Amino acid sequence: EPEVTQTPSHQVTQMGQEVILRCVPISNHLYFYWYRQILGQKVEFLVSFYNNEISEKSEIFDDQFSVERPDGSNFTLKIRSTKLEDSAMYFCASSFYLGTGGAEQFFGPGTRLTVL
Amino acid sequence: ELKVEQNPLFLSMQEGKNYTIYCNYSTTSDRLYWYRQDPGKSLESLFVLLSNGAVKQEGRLMASLDTKARLSTLHITAAVHDLSATYFCAVDITGNQFYFGTGTSLTVIP
Repeated sequence: EPEVTQTPSHQVTQMGQEVILRCVPISNHLYFYWYRQILGQKVEFLVSFYNNEISEKSEIFDDQFSVERPDGSNFTLKIRSTKLEDSAMYFCASSFYLGTGGAEQFFGPGTRLTVL
Repeated sequence: ELKVEQNPLFLSMQEGKNYTIYCNYSTTSDRLYWYRQDPGKSLESLFVLLSNGAVKQEGRLMASLDTKARLSTLHITAAVHDLSATYFCAVDITGNQFYFGTGTSLTVIP
């Protein structure tokens, strides 16, 4: 069964460093998303991506964040200069369009980012 | 800003009992989703509700959507231990931006 994969599973970095989180969405999906979840809290939307451009982004997704689909399979989230408060689990998701405005999202296993 | 609230936040129930989790949201939408998250794991899609009055059932779980009341419910019938997890609802208002609820942590006690 196809699934969304993410690497690495855990990333430890120093404050101010750049990190790139990688995701391989399900191959026939067209919509891609990044979310974060601070430990014990709710899931927060960061950004959605379709047709090689950002569709929507939240207030969290400021200039420190960027997304890219560098080739036909990978979808990356870059944080340029990490802060302590960026420590969280980051989930990638992908979906196909359901034709009625809805989208069933399939989530990857997550990357735990720890900023020291 | 769209608010999505779930209650209860924590639910401890005995095996065999029934209970309902509520998801209220603050703006018009007819697209609502339910997810399950096991501790330390990712999110698993449970239900996609795309119209007023939509009802979906899978095993011991049934979800419904009332867009006029801006309310979705997740009903658990005859709970079993395997249903212990955190359940999230999520609302989509733009077609591509999803707001998650606060989550309901369910523990089913033998």
